[in-house]
Amino acid sequence: AQKVTQAQTEISVVEKEDVTLDCVYETRDTTYYLFWYKQPPSGELVFLIRRNSFDEQNEISGRYSWNFQKSTSSFNFTITASQVVDSAVYFCALGGGNSGGSNYKLTFGKGTLLTVNP
Amino acid sequence: GAGVSQSPSNKVTEKGKDVELRCDPISGHTALYWYRQRLGQGLEFLIYFQGNSAPDKSGLPSDRFSAERTGESVSTLTIQRTQQEDSAVYLCASSLVGTAPNGYTFGSGTRLTVV
Repeated sequence: AQKVTQAQTEISVVEKEDVTLDCVYETRDTTYYLFWYKQPPSGELVFLIRRNSFDEQNEISGRYSWNFQKSTSSFNFTITASQVVDSAVYFCALGGGNSGGSNYKLTFGKGTLLTVNP
Repeated sequence: GAGVSQSPSNKVTEKGKDVELRCDPISGHTALYWYRQRLGQGLEFLIYFQGNSAPDKSGLPSDRFSAERTGESVSTLTIQRTQQEDSAVYLCASSLVGTAPNGYTFGSGTRLTVV
């Protein structure tokens, strides 16, 4: 069975601080995809990134960066110089595996509520 | 449409009543998904539609839950004889084809409260 663990339930930081959101996953698939989504107070999940299990290169997009380490089954997300607008619930998800027939399903973690205070 | 549209955005219902939630996917998206998000929890898969194929209903929690989709358009999720544990946000998503790597586009959800 697949599982995604986001051990941090809530994080509170002051604006301009860097913050890292942890994500650890379990899967028996040899090929899979990892995702991060942002859920602002409006409720809609906003796609942030998709990472193929074969690609362990770290990625940076503006103030966002992702560290994928297959050896530790982790896909951590760092926000540099956080801003109030970053306040949201962030979900890590796993899916698209090559075993079984339901590679359309995403398995989500419970989310991390990030509050950035001015 | 430009995005996935869900209605109503909020629904308060009395225990035992039936409710119907609607999802309008992005035009041209053949795959449609329903997920449930309980307070403080991640998203739970409910059901998946792909074109005219038989839907994957494996995530529906009980026979009180059902969903329909006409072709590649609107989907409705029906909950009969609602219970308080059904209170949650129900999220709909669609994608071009039915594989997770293509990424989903989510709607804003319907917040269901059963009193």
